[in-house]
Amino acid sequence: EIVMTQSPATLSVSPGERATLSCRASQSVGSNLAWYQQKPGQAPRLLIYGASTRATYFPARFSGSGSGTEFTLTISSLQSEDFAVYYCQQYNDWPYTFGQGTKLEIK
Amino acid sequence: EVQLVESGGGLVQPGGSLRLSCEASGFTIDDYAMHWVRQPPGKGLEWVSGVTWKSGTLGYADSVKGRFTISRDNAKNSLYLQMNSLRAEDTALYYCAKDIGYGGDLGHFDYWGQGTLVTVSS
Repeated sequence: EIVMTQSPATLSVSPGERATLSCRASQSVGSNLAWYQQKPGQAPRLLIYGASTRATYFPARFSGSGSGTEFTLTISSLQSEDFAVYYCQQYNDWPYTFGQGTKLEIK
Repeated sequence: EVQLVESGGGLVQPGGSLRLSCEASGFTIDDYAMHWVRQPPGKGLEWVSGVTWKSGTLGYADSVKGRFTISRDNAKNSLYLQMNSLRAEDTALYYCAKDIGYGGDLGHFDYWGQGTLVTVSS
């Protein structure tokens, strides 16, 4: 099983600032990496797939990068609606696995 | 409009069984891989099981293998999860999720239901 590790567990950032979230895989997953956003009481929403392709309903301030074992989600200028929990997920091989999540909170 | 509506959750004793259902609308489930993902209260996401397009392949997390069975009824446009030998650690909100890939299993999920809560407790 591929283990996904996210860091940090919690990230405190002020609105308007940049946020950088990390995800590491225990073995290479190529570019088969997705990011999801989850707000309290809601189902997750697909944000990024293929490591860097943004879902159309998310604005351009969200970007993903990386390949192999190291991945990054960057939010260039945080808006109030961006504060949520973010999960990475590898889909290179079954069983698909998620990271434990990074909670992005208002500083 | 794509919608996924889960049902069948509830309180069950350890060792018991439940069958979850996911009714899909706005698309044909036979054209997509479909998955179950769970989330224990206050915790992260765990992929549980998936069935690929045309039910070619079934996959399970190690934690549920041999206890859970995924299936689909194309006539009812519905996905199911039969859960046997339930344990306290199976307590979670269970989501049904649609794979993004038409005619394939791309492994990431563009539509999710709102979930059905399973509580395993005596």
